[in-house]
Amino acid sequence: DVKVTQSSRYLVKRTGEKVFLECVQDMDHENMFWYRQDPGLGLRLIYFSYDVKMKEKGDIPEGYSVSREKKERFSLILESASTNQTSMYLCASSFSREVLAKNIQYFGAGTRLSVL
Amino acid sequence: DQQVKQNSPSLSVQEGRISILNCDYTNSMFDYFLWYKKYPAEGPTFLISISSIKDKNEDGRFTVFLNKSAKHLSLHIVPSQPGDSAVYFCAASGHNQGGKLIFGQGTELSVKP
Repeated sequence: DVKVTQSSRYLVKRTGEKVFLECVQDMDHENMFWYRQDPGLGLRLIYFSYDVKMKEKGDIPEGYSVSREKKERFSLILESASTNQTSMYLCASSFSREVLAKNIQYFGAGTRLSVL
Repeated sequence: DQQVKQNSPSLSVQEGRISILNCDYTNSMFDYFLWYKKYPAEGPTFLISISSIKDKNEDGRFTVFLNKSAKHLSLHIVPSQPGDSAVYFCAASGHNQGGKLIFGQGTELSVKP
């Protein structure tokens, strides 16, 4: 079974703090993704990565950065947390982008972040 | 611009009856479609998918139908069970999407005993 592990289930941070969200997958997947989920808006892609040290902006990258130093680990960084970044953050991984059937993404349990 | 739309935010169905969740898309380059199920405080889990070369795919109680001309897909759950109560997301991908999935807004299904 694919396992995607997010380091925290719940986080409470103050405005202006630097926040790190960590994600690890154990299936040697090439691709990793960070989403946020907000009511009525579905899952919106923040950043993704196809390989170590590679990153691509998604649909809503403003206020975020990412790091992928190892294949299995993908970190999301909120440089200076703001209240509008209060959300559910979801990490996902998939095997390859080359074959559509391998685009199935496997998700972690999510991190509920509250910025006060 | 919302390329994948789920126009019903919620759906309530009686246990044992059929649940039909709908999804529309605008990008004709999409050729792979997926449904995910999400319980509160958990990540989405993959449910079923369909390639654009098919118009139907079944897996147990779950069937996905694809109507390419209408750019519409639907998920049928028969019979519905209380444990099916969750948020369902449809997602689309294509060879030009580079492995990304485009998600709809989700439909919250409630199956009442």
